[in-house]
Amino acid sequence: AQTVTQSQPEMSVQEAETVTLSCTYDTSESDYYLFWYKQPPSRQMILVIRQEAYKQQNATENRFSVNFQKAAKSFSLKISDSQLGDAAMYFCAYSRYGGATNKLIFGTGTLLAVQP
Amino acid sequence: NAGVTQTPKFQVLKTGQSMTLQCAQDMNHEYMSWYRQDPGMGLRLIHYSVGAGITDQGEVPNGYNVSRSTTEDFPLRLLSAAPSQTSVYFCASSSGVGSPLHFGNGTRLTVT
Repeated sequence: AQTVTQSQPEMSVQEAETVTLSCTYDTSESDYYLFWYKQPPSRQMILVIRQEAYKQQNATENRFSVNFQKAAKSFSLKISDSQLGDAAMYFCAYSRYGGATNKLIFGTGTLLAVQP
Repeated sequence: NAGVTQTPKFQVLKTGQSMTLQCAQDMNHEYMSWYRQDPGMGLRLIHYSVGAGITDQGEVPNGYNVSRSTTEDFPLRLLSAAPSQTSVYFCASSSGVGSPLHFGNGTRLTVT
């Protein structure tokens, strides 16, 4: 069974600095999808970024980018120029490619604090 | 543009009571699912549906029941609430495999 591991329960970053959140996963599949979701104190789940495993290029969305290392099964999230609004819980998630379902498997999350 | 609507936002139950968490989406998504979120455990899949009339169990289905009579609605029923079901519940939908999940705003349920 696939698993997703986020080894950093909490992290802190100074405003305007860069921070990297780690995520590793275990799968025997060659094609799959990876996601980062943000959950601010409002509890809302917000998609940050999506990566297709069969694409070599790392996904980026404005200040958010990923470092996707397929062989190492690593999918880290880099937040550049951190802002106070980036303070949230961040979840890494995996889903299989193909089939009829879209079951996402989530990591346990990393709580990010942004210091002014 | 409502997206995924969950009700209620908060609920307190006594042990043994039953209730239904409502979920509706207006994006015509075939895939819908329910997750529970517990501290230190991330989100875990309870039940999911790939279309009207089709449901299946996820990782933690015990104590919960679902049905999918329409594309839009996917209610989650707690049959006999237990303190172990105290959690935050999320309904989510997506347009297909590999597509991002669109989440409702969650229901915080406390069972005393």
